[in-house]
Amino acid sequence: AQKITQTQPGMFVQEKEAVTLDCTYDTSDPSYGLFWYKQPSSGEMIFLIYQGSYDQQNATEGRYSLNFQKARKSANLVISASQLGDSAMYFCAMRELQTGANNLFFGTGTRLTVIP
Amino acid sequence: EAGVTQFPSHSVIEKGQTVTLRCDPISGHDNLYWYRRVMGKEIKFLLHFVKESKQDESGMPNNRFLAERTGGTYSTLKVQPAELEDSGVYFCASSPPGQANTGELFFGEGSRLTVL
Repeated sequence: AQKITQTQPGMFVQEKEAVTLDCTYDTSDPSYGLFWYKQPSSGEMIFLIYQGSYDQQNATEGRYSLNFQKARKSANLVISASQLGDSAMYFCAMRELQTGANNLFFGTGTRLTVIP
Repeated sequence: EAGVTQFPSHSVIEKGQTVTLRCDPISGHDNLYWYRRVMGKEIKFLLHFVKESKQDESGMPNNRFLAERTGGTYSTLKVQPAELEDSGVYFCASSPPGQANTGELFFGEGSRLTVL
């Protein structure tokens, strides 16, 4: 079964508007971490934000916030005040912390295009 | 400080040939990971080194793939003989010691492999 699901292959947003990129996850591990990465056209994967499963508050990093709904197993990324430079692929990922494995499970990604 | 560097950025080879991909992690990062993204699919974990030791190689697809990290510095991933389904982007990532579970991974720009 897919551990990370990103149902939006592509999204468009007007510059300066906010956009939400969806991510749902599937795990039986009670302790896990959720990550969002950005991949611009240069190819490098850039870490954006991290949410631990036991964190009480939603993570925020500048214009990025993670809408963490544990009961629904969703970890949507919200980008506020979109900029042209936000156009990129965005990947949601999860690490299961109690299994002892250190690998990240990734989704298929969402391509965001910011329209001027 | 230099980031994770990967070489080559793009390699085009014929089926049956051999290719070796190289990854130089960030200096001091004990943890080194290889991931692969086949076109349109999710990024999948291949293996994880802690220094020169293979911590987890559960994601290696078959014995045509050989990863090494002699001396615990740079790593190589050799594909021999290459098959058409090996085409994709191979990402290397690293993280500091002690952050394998909760910390972010620092990714390189990836090595695109095309097998004809």
